Order: sequence, then structure tokens, then C-alpha cells
Amino acid sequence: GENVEQHPSTLSVQEGDSAVIKCTYSDSASNYFPWYKQELGKRPQLIIDIRSNVGEKKDQRIAVTLNKTAKHFSLHITETQPEDSAVYFCAASGPNTGNQFYFGTGTSLTVIP
Amino acid sequence: DTEVTQTPKHLVMGMTNKKSLKCEQHMGHRAMYWYKQKAKKPPELMFVYSYEKLSINESVPSRFSPECPNSSLLNLHLHALQPEDSALYLCASSQDPGKNYGYTFGSGTRLTVV
Repeated sequence: GENVEQHPSTLSVQEGDSAVIKCTYSDSASNYFPWYKQELGKRPQLIIDIRSNVGEKKDQRIAVTLNKTAKHFSLHITETQPEDSAVYFCAASGPNTGNQFYFGTGTSLTVIP
Repeated sequence: DTEVTQTPKHLVMGMTNKKSLKCEQHMGHRAMYWYKQKAKKPPELMFVYSYEKLSINESVPSRFSPECPNSSLLNLHLHALQPEDSALYLCASSQDPGKNYGYTFGSGTRLTVV
């Protein structure tokens, strides 16, 4: 089955700095990679996703990059703000997983004002 | 309507109780999921319904019993739970079980078993 690893587990940055979270996956057939943000006590919310036919995708201050050869993908948040503080989960899915998501272990991001 | 609605938001139950969690979506999504999430851990898949049929059961104990009465509703029936079953139970839906789309999660039911 698919195995998704996520690093770091905790990350603290100063407001205005950038944050990068990295994930690796094991199944080369995985073709869809969403990122979820979960604030304390709230539901996970999809913030950005990328498919395997694309190398990079941006949405305002958030971007995701995908390296299929190395089987890793990363979330980049620029100009961080205190409201970016949350737990971020990456996930991978594809035909070999029945299109079910395998989640990474999560990164707790703290943006220090 | 672009939401997944879960009720109740909080539930405290004894180990001998029977209770049910409810989930509803009106987005026309044909895949619905139950996840269990412990604090600071990723969601763990429990059950998947595709076109109202149970397609995946991730070896969940029989004290958890899912039900999908129609394409908009998903229930999780609970009976004889253990304290270690205390967790946030998340319902999710996605557009097409055969394709990769992002999930929409409900707000969850925070379950405490005493």
C-alpha cells in the first residue's frame, strides 16, 4: 500500500517568513496530492491540491510542488500570518489505493507574531 | 449547499449505551467516508461508501456499524464502545468514487466514552 511521510512534525516561523512542509510517498502510481489545514477543534479543510501531470500550482500565498521522479511534494506558504497557525496534513491517492487518501502524520505550524 | 453536516457535535456515552452519529450532504457526492481522528494525529479511514454501497471496511470492530440509507445520508451506529474509542469522528464526501477529488469534511462529532 501507499506510505506517506511528512516532515517536519512541528515548525515555528516568524510572521512574514516562509514555511515549507515536505512529504514523500511510496507508490509511483499515486496521482493526486491534496493538502489539508486543520485548526484546533475544527475540520480539516482542503487548501490546495496537485495532480501528477502538473509540477507546480499556486494559489495566492500558497504553492505546492511535485517531483514525480523523487516521489516527493511540498507545501510552501509565503508571507506567513498568525492565522496560518494550524496542523497541516498532506495526502496521496491513486488507482492502487482505490482512490482513498493516505495521510501524512501532520505538521504543527506556529506563526509567531 | 457546499457543506457536510454532522450531528451531534459532541457526544458522551457510557460503555453500555447505543448511539448514532449522523452525516448529511446535498452536493450530489457519490462517495462518503467515516474517519476517526485522535488528537494531533491524521484521520484514519474507517469505512467507505460508493454509490450507497459499502466498499471499504478498514477492519473496524463490529461495535461500529455504518449505514447509508440514501445518497445524502450516512450514519454510524455505536454500541458497547470502549474508552479508547473516544475521538473525533469525521464524515467526508467526494464527488466520484472512481476519480480523485478532494474530500469535503464535516465538522465532526467529538465522542467521549466513559
